[in-house]
Amino acid sequence: DAGITQSPRHKVTETGTPVTLRCHQTENHRYMYWYRQDPGHGLRLIHYSYGVKDTDKGEVSDGYSVSRSKTEDFLLTLESATSSQTSVYFCAITSEAGGENSAFFGQGTRLTVV
Amino acid sequence: ILNVEQSPQSLHVQEGDSTNFTCSFPSSNFYALHWYRWETAKSPEALFVMTLNGDEKKKGRISATLNTKEGYSYLYIKGSQPEDSATYLCAFKAGNNRKLIWGLGTSLAVNP
Repeated sequence: DAGITQSPRHKVTETGTPVTLRCHQTENHRYMYWYRQDPGHGLRLIHYSYGVKDTDKGEVSDGYSVSRSKTEDFLLTLESATSSQTSVYFCAITSEAGGENSAFFGQGTRLTVV
Repeated sequence: ILNVEQSPQSLHVQEGDSTNFTCSFPSSNFYALHWYRWETAKSPEALFVMTLNGDEKKKGRISATLNTKEGYSYLYIKGSQPEDSATYLCAFKAGNNRKLIWGLGTSLAVNP
């Protein structure tokens, strides 16, 4: 199994508070992604990173920011949480060594904004 | 707008039945097609990555084919077992884009 962990696994927070989710990998993979998963929408990309300090927006980036100061950590921050950000968040990593490779996913973080 | 469609949305089969589902994607600027298996309360797990037209991949009772010219991939499960019950996702990557575009999945339920 790929060494990828998300923390926390579950969180309940109040509207308007900042929240940071952490994705940590031990694979030294260059590419990291944050997705959210909601019923009827499948996996939607929030932000992604191609290396340290190299990040870009995905299709649903509004209200989210990310940082990657180390290869192994990719942080997702909700600056001011809203109820619409209640979701399950997945981090994924890929390597492009040797061509196209599958993504490996973390266990997910269930976030509830009340 | 790149769109990936999967059909059927859900499927119920009896143990021992063989089944298949479809992933449709844009036929231009193809780079790669991924298949994943996603069990309830878990995270997606990789099944196959295919990059060449005509590719066929197999893992145990599960296999997949790829037609990049017409923009579809089939996933086959031979002799379905209850443990095959999951959502099967496909994801497409275009040649000029590093991001995966995900389908909504086919939910498979195998009744014992």
